[in-house]
Amino acid sequence: DTGVSQNPRHKITKRGQNVTFRCDPISEHNRLYWYRQTLGQGPEFLTYFQNEAQLEKSRLLSDRFSAERPKGSFSTLEIQRTEQGDSAMYLCASSLARGGAVRRQGNTEAFFGQGTRLTVV
Amino acid sequence: KQEVTQIPAALSVPEGENLVLNCSFTDSAIYNLQWFRQDPGKGLTSLLLIQSSQREQTSGRLNASLDKSSGRSTLYIAASQPGDSATYLCAVRPGANFGNEKLTFGTGTRLTIIP
Repeated sequence: DTGVSQNPRHKITKRGQNVTFRCDPISEHNRLYWYRQTLGQGPEFLTYFQNEAQLEKSRLLSDRFSAERPKGSFSTLEIQRTEQGDSAMYLCASSLARGGAVRRQGNTEAFFGQGTRLTVV
Repeated sequence: KQEVTQIPAALSVPEGENLVLNCSFTDSAIYNLQWFRQDPGKGLTSLLLIQSSQREQTSGRLNASLDKSSGRSTLYIAASQPGDSATYLCAVRPGANFGNEKLTFGTGTRLTIIP
């Protein structure tokens, strides 16, 4: 399967514990995105990477959240000192962006993984 | 700030009927619009992507249209089947320049096809 892969699929943790999720994008994709989705809502943007550089972070990404993409391939999302409000589906997506320094080219279609369901008890 | 609205929130139709799902957005300066399908507890599956310069895209029984000036898109599903039951989400990507890459999603329409 050459799609976006996320691990684990489910995580149950006690409040106050740290958790880490992993995302493996489609291999040739240079852009990687993290979104969070709560029940009955659409996904909300958290952050994105172009290769290994983290280029944008949402204000939803508090100090307890950190994301990395050290070699421009897979990415990790860590949540420290989890709270019950962190319970959600965490979705990863990737896309291939072409173009010069300013203007985007290509269709930049985003492909999503199956998500990691986090439950904080 | 871009806002995306999907109406209705839920829809039930008998098998075999054609149906239309609606998506509206407040800022017409978009780069593209993407329709997704989400099954319960699963991730998102991309269905169709329409560039801002396009009016429609088709894939099998699905047809998506885009009217950028009025801030609207529709997803038409022909000859609905029980397997089409899912939540359908639309998402818009902002203008052509790099720097703002996030997709803004609607809250989705939960579709149930009755056998």
